[in-house]
Amino acid sequence: GQNIDQPTEMTATEGAIVQINCTYQTSGFNGLFWYQQHAGEAPTFLSYNVLDGLEEKGRFSSFLSRSKGYSYLLLKELQMKDSASYLCALSDSNYQLIWGAGTKLIIKP
Amino acid sequence: GAGVSQTPSNKVTEKGKYVELRCDPISGHTALYWYRQSLGQGPEFLIYFQGTGAADDSGLPNDRFFAVRPEGSVSTLKIQRTERGDSAVYLCASSLTSGTGANVLTFGAGSRLTVL
Repeated sequence: GQNIDQPTEMTATEGAIVQINCTYQTSGFNGLFWYQQHAGEAPTFLSYNVLDGLEEKGRFSSFLSRSKGYSYLLLKELQMKDSASYLCALSDSNYQLIWGAGTKLIIKP
Repeated sequence: GAGVSQTPSNKVTEKGKYVELRCDPISGHTALYWYRQSLGQGPEFLIYFQGTGAADDSGLPNDRFFAVRPEGSVSTLKIQRTERGDSAVYLCASSLTSGTGANVLTFGAGSRLTVL
């Protein structure tokens, strides 16, 4: 079967760095996505990893280790507008997305 | 259009009624997905279209749920005999194609369904 775990909620301070972890178990793997979802809005694409390593995109970076079934999203220089839910999703053997429940990130001044 | 458009944005109905939710994907996107999202949860897959045909409808919870995409563009999700448990945000997403790992979905803002 397939399973994705990520923390329910995290709190961080404006200007700091936060790492949101995602662990997964799956029999088929075609990549891992991170999406951002502000309250009451649609999820928007942040990153995609299919090979091991770190992908950097401005203030956001995403890391993948396929052997460990582990990914993280790293957010630097946090801004208040980064307060949102961050969804981890894996692409299975049929290229369908299996979603985690999301991590609600609260940024405090 | 420029983005994925969903109507209505909000729908309140009574238990037992019939509901239709509409999705207008990005022009040229051949793949269209319907998801359901409850508060504090990730999207739950319902059905996926490649062109006009439903390529995977394994996520539809029961036969009260049905979706069509007759001309390969606009899709309608239809829910018969609504139940209170159907209350959720129904998200539609489209992508240029499917069947690849790097398949980025663009989501609409969702239709919030409340069944009283």
